[in-house]
Amino acid sequence: SAVISQKPSRDICQRGTSLTIQCQVDSQVTMMFWYRQQPGQSLTLIATANQGSEATYESGFVIDKFPISRPNLTFSTLTVSNMSPEDSSIYLCSVEAGGYNEQFFGPGTRLTVL
Amino acid sequence: GDSVTQMEGPVTLSEEAFLTINCTYTATGYPSLFWYVQYPGEGLQLLLKATKADDKGSNKGFEATYRKETTSFHLEKGSVQVSDSAVYFCALSAREGYQKVTFGTGTKLQVIP
Repeated sequence: SAVISQKPSRDICQRGTSLTIQCQVDSQVTMMFWYRQQPGQSLTLIATANQGSEATYESGFVIDKFPISRPNLTFSTLTVSNMSPEDSSIYLCSVEAGGYNEQFFGPGTRLTVL
Repeated sequence: GDSVTQMEGPVTLSEEAFLTINCTYTATGYPSLFWYVQYPGEGLQLLLKATKADDKGSNKGFEATYRKETTSFHLEKGSVQVSDSAVYFCALSAREGYQKVTFGTGTKLQVIP
């Protein structure tokens, strides 16, 4: 298993600003994942972040809007840039651990954009 | 592509009632199957998993059996408690190599005393 922490836990931001979300894992992992969960919806994968390489983005998500850093095997950041109210969501990071693509999730960052 | 279909919620049950949340999937090969739970205001937690046909995953009184013939992975609990109120997500992932996890839409369960 893995224990994951995220900062901040929640934030309220103004339109047009950017927010960087941090994800810290208690063990070294190869892959980290960033998801978005819009109100009342399921999870949508934004991107997969491997240490030492560019993140791989899913269809509908672009690096300019959601830049990701992965400086080492225990840490990653996701930035939500030039925010609009449509970006109001819960953002979750996860890691694969335990085999069979089993994922463990952080507690999430609840973002509200005014 | 891979997909997961869950019964729509919300589901409202009285305490000690029997719970079934239906989940069917479409995938190539033999995926691993998961149930995740999200309690109010929290992130997702893995509830149980099954990695091959006829496997039964179980945890905290919940069970689900990997049925390849019906491509299903229904979640069951014999007697629910108020503390089981949460959103439940069915999910799958291909077993060979890395493949992303595909989630269902989630089913909200409310248990009333």
